[in-house]
This record gives sequence, structure tokens and C-alpha cells, in this order.
Amino acid sequence: DAEITQSPRHKITETGRQVTLACHQTWNHNNMFWYRQDLGHGLRLIHYSYGVQDTNKGEVSDGYSVSRSNTEDLPLTLESAASSQTSVYFCASSESSSGSEQYFGPGTRLTVT
Amino acid sequence: AQSVAQPEDQVNVAEGNPLTVKCTYSVSGNPYLFWYVQYPNRGLQFLLKYITGDNLVKGSYGFEAEFNKSQTSFHLKKPSALVSDSALYFCAVRDRRDDKIIFGKGTRLHILP
Repeated sequence: DAEITQSPRHKITETGRQVTLACHQTWNHNNMFWYRQDLGHGLRLIHYSYGVQDTNKGEVSDGYSVSRSNTEDLPLTLESAASSQTSVYFCASSESSSGSEQYFGPGTRLTVT
Repeated sequence: AQSVAQPEDQVNVAEGNPLTVKCTYSVSGNPYLFWYVQYPNRGLQFLLKYITGDNLVKGSYGFEAEFNKSQTSFHLKKPSALVSDSALYFCAVRDRRDDKIIFGKGTRLHILP
């Protein structure tokens, strides 16, 4: 069965370190998204991609970057982790049509100390 | 700018009673509307969506939602609640003229046995 996976599931890192969160999907979807989930804020879009070599900034992109070298993967990098980036991060994918629903990964809980 | 409001942080319903989780939206064009559910320590799961056509949309697990254009609402409903319906529910909207999807802050549904 097709799926979307994230790794690691839990990560503790120190302020200032570079961190990369992996996202891999086997749906063969062109669209991929990264969100963060925080109490009182719901889900906020960090970055998204509509295909290989395409990346776009979302609502809260400062301090984050992504790259899309193939269809299956969209890694999220925190260039210099800050305590404000402690959160749960979700990756999602969808078909290209605007009316398509998103399929979410299980999430990565990141703690920056 | 498009927005989504879920006016209730939490909804409590007795098992067997009908439930409603409210969602209102604001977009400049015609919307695509979605409902997702999140169980503890899991990613979001798609429940249902409105694209076009019949205003009453049926989805997974016996849920349905009614699109009301004049009231700009898309409330989630179920005729008879189950304890297993207890979860966090998110409404999301996508303007057909803009590829960005916006999520509400979520409503926690508690079904009381």
C-alpha cells in the first residue's frame, strides 16, 4: 500500500544545530507540504512543492528550507534550530488537482533545548 | 485573504446524540472545503470534502457536512455519536484561484459514554 513516512519520529536537539527532518511518500504525488502544529495555532504551512525542483514559502517559512530532488522526498531543514521551533511537524502529499485531499505522515516531534 | 474559523475549541456530546462541529470560512472566490480528523499521536486523516454539486457531502465513519454558501459555513455532522469519534477535528479551505490551503485551529470533540 502507498504511504507517507517521516523520520525521525522524535528528535531532541540543541539551539543552533542544523536539523533535517525526512519525508518520503510512495503515492507518486506531485504536491508535498510541510506543516507545524502548535497548541492554539492549529496547522501552519512552512513550505510546499508542486514538483521536482519546485519549492515555495508558506506562512511560517523563516528559519526553514526544503529541496525537492525527486518525486518521493521533501526533506525539511532547520538551518540553526531555535527554541521557538519546538513543535510537531507534519508532512503531507496530494495529487496535483486543487480539489485533492492531502495525505499526512505520522509526524515528527522536535524539541530544541 | 482567506481564513477559516472553528468557533468552538471543544465540543462535548453524549454517546448516541447527534453532533455538530462548526466551521465558517472566508475566501474571495469559490472554495474547496475539507474536514480532517486527528487521533492522539497520529497525523491528520481525510474525512470528506466539498468540491461542487450537492451541498450535503457524505464522508468516512458516518460523517457528513453541509455546504452553505450564503452563511459561508461547512459544519460537520453525525446523526449518532460514538465514543470512538472523540478526536481533534480540523476544517480547511482552499480558494480555487489560489493553491494555498488554510486550516482552522481545530475543535476537540469529546463523546461522553
